[in-house]
Amino acid sequence: DSGVTQTPKHLITATGQRVTLRCSPRSGDLSVYWYQQSLDQGLQFLIQYYNGEERAKGNILERFSAQQFPDLHSELNLSSLELGDSALYFCASSVGGLARDTQYFGPGTRLTVL
Amino acid sequence: DQQVKQNSPSLSVQEGRISILNCDYTNSMFDYFLWYKKYPAEGPTFLISISSIKDKNEDGRFTVFLNKSAKHLSLHIVPSQPGDSAVYFCAATPNSGTYKYIFGTGTRLKVLA
Repeated sequence: DSGVTQTPKHLITATGQRVTLRCSPRSGDLSVYWYQQSLDQGLQFLIQYYNGEERAKGNILERFSAQQFPDLHSELNLSSLELGDSALYFCASSVGGLARDTQYFGPGTRLTVL
Repeated sequence: DQQVKQNSPSLSVQEGRISILNCDYTNSMFDYFLWYKKYPAEGPTFLISISSIKDKNEDGRFTVFLNKSAKHLSLHIVPSQPGDSAVYFCAATPNSGTYKYIFGTGTRLKVLA
């Protein structure tokens, strides 16, 4: 158990809909990262927050947005969903926001868009 | 453009033998590398890392080797155990600027009892 929690575990929805994925980091961790893993792909970095502020952005679509709240939990919002958005979404957290701060991953949310 | 490549999607090894997982990268700005292990229905778990100032890092049965001139790293598991059966991802990051990890596509290791 990494100490990172993600809800829900599974989400099934239809095209055009909007969903929110939630992540609670390990106690004491200030950084939260979001990754997307599509079928047979590696984990694609989406976005990083550090202590409530956006720190780095990856290949995140404009239809996706995220935020980190004062209690440090984070939410990833996916809107106007398309079939291709079906994937595993992982959240990770680290103590700081530096490259050598090990990232600890949650169990993921499996999103299925029908 | 895949900056971190794991060209072997799968690998089978007999229990007790050595497992060697390989990873190549293209970006010369990468200077910190990690291996993660992933079991089904779980998130990736950190295994071992190596900085570019080293060419080897060891932790128990796991050793990572880095060949900077070849832009190649490998993970050796000795001896391999059935519990090591999982998907292994290598990741790389530059130690400046944005701190995102760039992951490879993973190698599925199966250790046969």
